[in-house]
Amino acid sequence: EAGVVQSPRYKIIEKKQPVAFWCNPISGHNTLYWYRQNLGQGPELLIRYENEEAVDDSQLPKDRFSAERLKGVDSTLKIQPAELGDSAVYLCASSPGSQGTNEQFFGPGTRLTVL
Amino acid sequence: GNSVTQMEGPVTLSEEAFLTINCTYTATGYPSLFWYVQYPGEGLQLLLKATKADDKGSNKGFEATYRKETTSFHLEKGSVQVSDSAVYFCALSPRSSNTGKLIFGQGTTLQVKP
Repeated sequence: EAGVVQSPRYKIIEKKQPVAFWCNPISGHNTLYWYRQNLGQGPELLIRYENEEAVDDSQLPKDRFSAERLKGVDSTLKIQPAELGDSAVYLCASSPGSQGTNEQFFGPGTRLTVL
Repeated sequence: GNSVTQMEGPVTLSEEAFLTINCTYTATGYPSLFWYVQYPGEGLQLLLKATKADDKGSNKGFEATYRKETTSFHLEKGSVQVSDSAVYFCALSPRSSNTGKLIFGQGTTLQVKP
C-alpha cells in the first residue's frame, strides 16, 4: 500500500516569493492534516480536513497561508508571500477518521528554506 | 492548555543498553497518548499508543505505560540496537475535542553506538 506522498521534498525560495506544497494521502483516508515542524521542535497542526471541508484552521496564518482539498483527496498548501520565519518542514498526514485514537500516517515532508 | 514535555536530547547509548525517554503531559481529561519515531530521511511513524489509564503500549521491544497519577508516558526498551537511532516524539490527542489533533513534544534524539 502506498503511503502519503508529498512533493517537492525540498524547496529553496527568496522571501516574498510564493510557494506551494502538494500532498496525496493514503487512499480511502478521509482526514488530512498539514503540520509545520520547526528545527528541533515537534510538529504543530496548521489545518485539518474532513473530506473537502476544512474543519480546524485555527492555527493557520490566514494572511499569507491558504490550503485547499478539492474533491476530498489531494491537498495543496500555499504560502504567499513567504517570509524568513516560514523556513521549516511541512508535513502532511492522513488518517481513516478523526477519532483521537486513530493513527495518523505521515508523509516525508517538504523542507522549505526561505532566503 | 494541552502540552507535552520530553527529556532533552541527544541521548547516546551503547548497543544493548537500557533506554528510558521521559514524557510528561498536561491535558484536560484523559487524552490518548502516542510515541512516534522519525528515522533519518523518513516521515514520522507510529511506534505505540495507549488510550486509557494503565494501558501499556508496546511494539518492536519498546513499551510505555499510561500513568494518570503522574501524567507520564515514559518510553522504555530493554536492549537498544544501532537501528533504533532516530528521533522519538511523544504526543497526545485531547479527549475533549476528539478531532484526532496531535500535540507533540519537542522530540528526543537517540544515538546508539556499536
